[in-house]
Amino acid sequence: EVQLVESGGGLVQPGRSLRLSCTASGFTFGDYAMSWVRQAPGKGLEWVGFIRSKAYGGTTEYAASVKGRFTISRDDSKSIAYLQMNSLKTEDTAVYYCTRNRGVMGYFDYWGQGTLVTVSS
Amino acid sequence: AIRMTQSPSSLSASTGDRVTITCRASQGISSYLAWYQQKPGKAPKLLIYAASTLQSGVPSRFSGSGSGTDFTLTISCLQSEDFATYYCQQYYSYPPWTFGQGTKVEIK
Repeated sequence: EVQLVESGGGLVQPGRSLRLSCTASGFTFGDYAMSWVRQAPGKGLEWVGFIRSKAYGGTTEYAASVKGRFTISRDDSKSIAYLQMNSLKTEDTAVYYCTRNRGVMGYFDYWGQGTLVTVSS
Repeated sequence: AIRMTQSPSSLSASTGDRVTITCRASQGISSYLAWYQQKPGKAPKLLIYAASTLQSGVPSRFSGSGSGTDFTLTISCLQSEDFATYYCQQYYSYPPWTFGQGTKVEIK
């Protein structure tokens, strides 16, 4: 059974950093691209960014709203994806979901339960 | 960025009704469209990809159609467990992959 479990969320002050983790199980993690999608309270879904599998270079892409502040990385030996969030803003407050990309496609066939990040002073 | 617009934003329906949600892309996206269902406090769940292909395990009362810029999600016979918010998402081009604003299906 595919499982994605996020951790690392919490309350953080504006301008500070936070790192989220996504621990995967039930599939060969290294074969898949992984994405992060967020949802501000009471709002819709926003794609944050993704990391390709090593077979496709392990490179990353980001939404304009987070580019230069957020970094996605992966540790295939541990089946973990990370979202490093720097220079956090109040508008980054959201539930952050880790998702698995279907193959090389840009849709998401499995989602974690989400972790809440609250940016507030 | 490709903008995805769903209509309506919300609707009220009864169990057994046929429900249709539309999604329009600001430019052609071929059939690179997915639909998700989200229940309160839960993660979204993939329903349909490639505009019309049902994800494994999804009931056959769900169906999708369309290509280019106009797409529909149809629930043929609404069940109590289908009351949720539905999102379309284009994966034709990135960054970014973009979602519609959501359609909330409520009980009449």
